[in-house]
Amino acid sequence: AQSVTQPDIHITVSEGASLELRCNYSYGATPYLFWYVQSPGQGLQLLLKYFSGDTLVQGIKGFEAEFKRSQSSFNLRKPSVHWSDAAEYFCAVGATSGTYKYIFGTGTRLKVLA
Amino acid sequence: DSGVTQTPKHLITATGQRVTLRCSPRSGDLSVYWYQQSLDQGLQFLIQYYNGEERAKGNILERFSAQQFPDLHSELNLSSLELGDSALYFCASSEGGGPVNEQFFGPGTRLTVL
Repeated sequence: AQSVTQPDIHITVSEGASLELRCNYSYGATPYLFWYVQSPGQGLQLLLKYFSGDTLVQGIKGFEAEFKRSQSSFNLRKPSVHWSDAAEYFCAVGATSGTYKYIFGTGTRLKVLA
Repeated sequence: DSGVTQTPKHLITATGQRVTLRCSPRSGDLSVYWYQQSLDQGLQFLIQYYNGEERAKGNILERFSAQQFPDLHSELNLSSLELGDSALYFCASSEGGGPVNEQFFGPGTRLTVL
């Protein structure tokens, strides 16, 4: 079955530190992969997406993600975190077959220490 | 502001009742998606409509139904409400109908069932 796993429920980093949020997926083919961010009281906003081609994808707000087929991973990274990055981050898969077309991970809540 | 509007922002009702949530997509977007976000279930994809037709179905209960009207706005109907239906319901829209399309999320409707 298709699934998305975000193993870290909470992550705390200091402002200026680097960040990596993990995402693993289970899907038979190469999926469409997304990272969304949800600020408190807000809807989700797309940070970046991967469909094909270069496995290192650049997104908004200084985020990037790397698709690693061998590890079924699509980890999100940022070299230097800002206090405004505190939010919840969701990894998602867009599946082109099967009953469920859009599968979201359980999210990782990021806390940034000043 | 994503350009997706949802009404109402908050809704409080009793068990057994029926409610209707409304979503207006971004101008030009043909697809509308509905999601449920709760503490225990996380973010669950419910259903997608594209240009008035159902395109994909996720974890939508039989007590729930949706439709997309000719002007492309959508309504999600929740009936025989239970305490467990209390959640944040998001609508999203996209230009196209496939998983490759970026979804733009509305601010959500918070439903409380007492």
